This record gives sequence, structure tokens and C-alpha cells, in this order.
Amino acid sequence: GNSVTQMEGPVTLSEEAFLTINCTYTATGYPSLFWYVQYPGEGLQLLLKATKADDKGSNKGFEATYRKETTSFHLEKGSVQVSDSAVYFCALSEKTSYDKVIFGPGTSLSVIP
Amino acid sequence: GAVVSQHPSRVICKSGTSVKIECRSLDFQATTMFWYRQFPKKSLMLMATSNEGSKATYEQGVEKDKFLINHASLTLSTLTVTSAHPEDSSFYICSAINFLGLQETQYFGPGTRLLVL
Repeated sequence: GNSVTQMEGPVTLSEEAFLTINCTYTATGYPSLFWYVQYPGEGLQLLLKATKADDKGSNKGFEATYRKETTSFHLEKGSVQVSDSAVYFCALSEKTSYDKVIFGPGTSLSVIP
Repeated sequence: GAVVSQHPSRVICKSGTSVKIECRSLDFQATTMFWYRQFPKKSLMLMATSNEGSKATYEQGVEKDKFLINHASLTLSTLTVTSAHPEDSSFYICSAINFLGLQETQYFGPGTRLLVL
């Protein structure tokens, strides 16, 4: 079945460091891919998404490119801030809608000043 | 922006009792809501899809008689954990789909932490 794998962390970075969180997926067909973020004490928020191969999703300085050949959707940010400390979930949906989102295990990120 | 609320935010109950968790879409109507369960340091597992006016669709391995879902209106879905046991202790999260034109967005609630003693 469909699944999402991502580095589980925790990841600790200094402020202004470069961030990469790896995510790979297994799916039949052509899923949509997402990154969600969960800040401490808050609900999940959609960070960015991509709906087809080679699409690049971006938001708040974060980017991820839908790579069908490597079945990957790695999250990157050039310079992290303390406020980026959160748990990041890679996810996929079997359709272009948000039906049945399948989540990866989540990666906890701590950014220290 | 669109907001989804959950009530209560946390609940502690005795084993054998039933607990109801509410999920509300505050400024939009949601024909479809989802219920997830998140274990500590684990990912979210989809439990069921809640459809307004019809029966919920449960994922494989989820006991529908244990986790009762009622989507009685376009802004409210409830999850009732019946005869709760300590292994039901978890973080329960709902989400709701908001349709704006041709685009749909899924909004998540803040979650309800259930502890069964």
C-alpha cells in the first residue's frame, strides 16, 4: 500500500543553518505530496504541497520538489530560525484532493539561538 | 482563515466509561471530516472518514462499534470512544475539508488528549 518514510530525528540545528528533511514515498499512481508542520501546542498546518512530478512547493522559505524518479519530496530551507522549531510531517494523498492523507512519522526540529 | 476546533482539549476518564470528542468547523461548512489518532512520538493514523448525513467510513483495523462517529451537521462531527480502556489513551485529531471554488483545503483541529485510567 501507499506509505511515507522520513527521517525521524530529532534534528537540532543552530539558527541560520541549512535544513534538509528527507522524505520518500511509495504509491500507486500519481499522488499529491505535502509537508505539514505542527508547532508546539497547536494543530497541524499545511506548509506546502505539490500535485505532480517536478512541481516545487514553497512557503515561508521552505521548498520541496516532487521527484517522481526518486519518489522523494525532501524539505529544505536555507536559513532556519528559532521559530521554525516544530514537528514536520511529510504526507501523500492518493488523489489531487486531500482525501485520505497518509502521514510519515514526523521529524522533530529544534533550532537553537 | 478557516478554523477547526475540538472540545475538550484534554480529558481524563475511568476505564469502562465513554468519552465524546467534538470537532467543529467554525467559519465554513464541511461535508467531510476526518478523525486521526496520534500515538506519542508517532505519526497520525487515519481512523475514519466522517460524511455529513451518512455513515462514517472506517479504516481497516478500526472498530466502528468502539469509535462511534456522528456527523450530524455541516459544522460538527463527534467521536465517541465507548467503554474506554487504557490502550485507548492517545491524541485524537480531526480535520475538515473546506471547498473554495475549485480548490479544497484540509484544516486540522488542535487535537484532544485522552487519558484513560
